[in-house]
Amino acid sequence: QVQLVQSGAEVKKPGSSVKVSCKASEGGFTTQAITWVRQAPGQGLEWMGGIIPIFGTANYAQKFQGRVTITADTSTTTAFMELSSLRADDTAIYYCARERQAGFAILSSWGHGTLVTVSS
Amino acid sequence: DIVMTQSPDSLAVSLGERATIKCKSSQSLLYASNNRNNLAWYQHKPGQPPKLLIYWASTRESGVPARFAGSGSGTEFTLTINSLQAEDVALYYCQQYFNTPPTFGGGTKVEI
Repeated sequence: QVQLVQSGAEVKKPGSSVKVSCKASEGGFTTQAITWVRQAPGQGLEWMGGIIPIFGTANYAQKFQGRVTITADTSTTTAFMELSSLRADDTAIYYCARERQAGFAILSSWGHGTLVTVSS
Repeated sequence: DIVMTQSPDSLAVSLGERATIKCKSSQSLLYASNNRNNLAWYQHKPGQPPKLLIYWASTRESGVPARFAGSGSGTEFTLTINSLQAEDVALYYCQQYFNTPPTFGGGTKVEI
């Protein structure tokens, strides 16, 4: 099973941006999408968007359109999620996860999560 | 977006007893091309990422104990944990992958 290793915790000011990385182990970039899911304190899981790394095509949840950019670097098998115009309610744990089967968001491999704290 | 509704929000079960979690979707999750339901279940423990338990509504992921069972079709689904163990204390989420965006239920907390 692919291993996903995420970057470390971040503390950001309101209005700034954060970029979280997710490195996949050898062979981790295929036609299976890498997706980003977040969990705010006391809240449930929320899908933000995803990318098929070898094609570079991303799609996003309507809620985050215009604020989130998901990219992938196939040379380093690393996916990125950048969230801009940060607000206090963006404080959350951000997870990357990979589809078990291309085209179906069955999330079988997960990163350990990256805590992003937005505070002035 | 498809709305996923779980019940109950929490439940307390004795060790060795059965836990039953319900999940309803706002539209059918039955995928016509393969006659399977696009529904997954995850277990989420504090400090860990979610873990896939069940997909296609009833297929156990590799390595998941047989006491976890998924059932249901269309818009109503159930996760059953038979003979609850101490390590099963966690939040459980259902998730549909029939449509984009994939959406999760609100979660059910299982306690001893």
